[in-house]
Amino acid sequence: QQQVKQSPQSLIVQKGGISIINCAYENTAFDYFPWYQQFPGKGPALLIAIRPDVSEKKEGRFTISFNKSAKQFSLHIMDSQPGDSATYFCAASGPGGSYIPTFGRGTSLIVHP
Amino acid sequence: ETGVTQSPTHLIKTRGQQVTLRCSSQSGHNTVSWYQQALGQGPQFIFQYYREEENGRGNFPPRFSGLQFPNYSSELNVNALELDDSALYLCASSLTSGKETQYFGPGTRLLVL
Repeated sequence: QQQVKQSPQSLIVQKGGISIINCAYENTAFDYFPWYQQFPGKGPALLIAIRPDVSEKKEGRFTISFNKSAKQFSLHIMDSQPGDSATYFCAASGPGGSYIPTFGRGTSLIVHP
Repeated sequence: ETGVTQSPTHLIKTRGQQVTLRCSSQSGHNTVSWYQQALGQGPQFIFQYYREEENGRGNFPPRFSGLQFPNYSSELNVNALELDDSALYLCASSLTSGKETQYFGPGTRLLVL
């Protein structure tokens, strides 16, 4: 049972464009939603995270939008740069599971110069 | 402050052998979690150790075992290796059990032939 569904599987964007990655979750007990960025040969690195008490969180060019009623959240990368080319994972966790994250399957983002 | 480190970086084993992977947690972190990341997939939770005790386990067979030492470093042991065990094994540390933010190491790439 896949508790966090992520789409698209891959994404190609031109430099300066907006990259949008979507995730949906099933477990209503989840209350922490991080996004991780992973470069080839490296471990995932926390990019930005949100709690369900807000609908949007922005850090630089990265924004999380959160829709609690739809159980969906998304990552928007504004002004995408070639250096943003990486695999992005959404995740969800909650106190019932000691905040051990359940990951989506990942989105491979390529930003063309 | 040092980050999470893992050793070795790469490893090749044959089916049926045993392997031990090592992880040093980030300074001040007493909780270590291990994940298996198959190619093209998100990390899958194996188990977590908090103050030298197992504190949660994912859907992995008993041949996956672990240890945490008094300095909070950790080992992952896998017995009777199977071809499907080929993956990137990630260690993540957090400030304490139940804390949302996990910091990942670079991983150990295991290939089972």
